[in-house]
Amino acid sequence: DAGVIQSPRHEVTEMGQEVTLRCKPISGHDYLFWYRQTMMRGLELLIYFNNNVPIDDSGMPEDRFSAKMPNASFSTLKIQPSEPRDSAVYFCASSPRAADTQYFGPGTRLTVL
Amino acid sequence: QKEVEQDPGPLSVPEGAIVSLNCTYSNSAFQYFMWYRQYSRKGPELLMYTYSSGNKEDGRFTAQVDKSSKYISLFIRDSQPSDSATYLCAMSAGTGGFKTIFGAGTRLFVKA
Repeated sequence: DAGVIQSPRHEVTEMGQEVTLRCKPISGHDYLFWYRQTMMRGLELLIYFNNNVPIDDSGMPEDRFSAKMPNASFSTLKIQPSEPRDSAVYFCASSPRAADTQYFGPGTRLTVL
Repeated sequence: QKEVEQDPGPLSVPEGAIVSLNCTYSNSAFQYFMWYRQYSRKGPELLMYTYSSGNKEDGRFTAQVDKSSKYISLFIRDSQPSDSATYLCAMSAGTGGFKTIFGAGTRLFVKA
């Protein structure tokens, strides 16, 4: 398996623009997680899905953030409108079972100017 | 107070040294304890996984969990320059409200 795939790897955009991050989890994994990592705040869980259903979105910072998982092999994290404080590395991870190992993608490095 | 506290370092040691990395936590419901290693510009990858209290050894790595003190440790023996990375502790209650909480990560540098 190719592992968790994320795209794009780097994104530079201007404040106010819409940003869409994409993730393909490992086939057969029932759990999908979106994290944000910054120097100041470390690794923060934004939202996670179980069998394509959002279970906990309490980490989503604001209404500007939304996430979807239309099927078992694809998820998106959207920021609209983007702000400079959204600059971070966004990771997607997947897991076969609850409380099991999470497999992380390479991350998307987002810079909002 | 954060649920999981971890000293961000950086920690710099000479090659061959024994490294001790630690985390404390406040939620007594945590039962699953993990250590992830993250190389620069990469995603975290699982290094050690333990359930409840006790020790687990894997090669040069030993993970310890002391639930009574709410304290977990990762020991690295005979440290190598290739061990230079950020080490994140993580823990979960593993219940229906499954959520893994990560520490801030400790940056480790092993000098040749």
